[in-house]
Formats: sequence, structure tokens, C-alpha cells
Amino acid sequence: EDQVTQSPEALRLQEGESSSLNCSYTVSGLRGLFWYRQDPGKGPEFLFTLYSAGEEKEKERLKATLTKKESFLHITAPKPEDSATYLCAVGGSQGNLIFGKGTKLSVKP
Amino acid sequence: NAGVMQNPRHLVRRRGQEARLRCSPMKGHSHVYWYRQLPEEGLKFMVYLQKENIIDESGMPKERFSAEFPKEGPSILRIQQVVRGDSAAYFCASSSQGSNQPQHFGDGTRLSIL
Repeated sequence: EDQVTQSPEALRLQEGESSSLNCSYTVSGLRGLFWYRQDPGKGPEFLFTLYSAGEEKEKERLKATLTKKESFLHITAPKPEDSATYLCAVGGSQGNLIFGKGTKLSVKP
Repeated sequence: NAGVMQNPRHLVRRRGQEARLRCSPMKGHSHVYWYRQLPEEGLKFMVYLQKENIIDESGMPKERFSAEFPKEGPSILRIQQVVRGDSAAYFCASSSQGSNQPQHFGDGTRLSIL
């Protein structure tokens, strides 16, 4: 059964304190690894898609990497506006996405 | 706004009533997905539709729930005879193609059952 596990569940950082979020997955065949950001009361906002081990993508202070077993979302010098829940998902065999429970990130000024 | 539009944003129903949730996909997108999010739970897939077709409904409860995406108009998620356990946030997403493509989400409908 395809499965996604994210850690930690919650992460508190000081502004400027870099860190990484982890997404471990087990799938029968990877059809894409997706990162989203979700703010309270909003829908998930698409950030990145990764398709093969070794692939990396960057956007502002965020960088996503992928291995055969896991993906990391690195946050460099975060700001308070980076506070949100970050969701990881893998593509399912029928076109759906299988989500982890997310990491709630709080960045204090 | 060319994003995924969902309405209503909030819906309150009494037990036994029907709930209808609407979703208009992004312009140019013909693939629609519905997900449910319970408090402290992750997003769970319910159903995947293309115009006039249900592609996969493996995540949808067998009873009381149905979905459609007609040739004209929005996709509809319908819940009949609602129960307290149906209280959740329901999200719709769309994509331009099927598998492996990013899905873009609306801001959801918060359904509360009294």
C-alpha cells in the first residue's frame, strides 16, 4: 500500500534559523513527489514536483530534494511569513494524490 | 481569478439533510479531484472525474455520497442524509492532464452538521 509519512509533526524556528522537513514514502512506482503549502482556512498551494531520485528544485528560501526513499524540504533563513503547514504527497496509481499529515512550521521573529 | 473556485465556502446542514458542494476547475483543466480533510488528519482522496466520466471513486463511501462532472457547469459532490461524521473540509483540485501532473486546489468548503 502506498504510504507517506512526514516528520516532524510540528517545528518551531527562530527567524533566520535554517532547517529541513522530511517526507518518507513507500510506493509501488513513483509517479511524482509533490510539495504543497497550506495556510489556515485555505487550500493547499502547489510548490514543487519531483520525479526522479537526485532531482532538486528551488523557489526563494525553499529547496526540495528527492532520494529513492524520501524527500526533504530545506528552508533557508526562514521568515515569519513562511509559517504554514507543509504537505507532501505522492502520485497514486489512479491519478490521485496520497498525502502525509503535514508538518506545521512556526517561524518566530 | 483563474484558480479553482469552490462554493459555498461554508455550509451548515442538519442531520438528514442533503449537502451539495460545487467546484469549477481552473480554465483549461478537464480533470477534477475531490478530497476530504478531517481535523488532525491528512487530505484523503475521494473521487477523480473527467468531463461526464468518473475515473476512480475508490475513496468515496459507497452510500450517501455521489459526484458528477457534467459536460457543462461545475463538478458537484453530493452528500445525502448527512450525519455528524460528515463534518469536514472538502477540497476540490484540478489538473490539465491526469497522472503525474500537479493538482491545483480550491480553498475548500467547510461542512458543519448540526
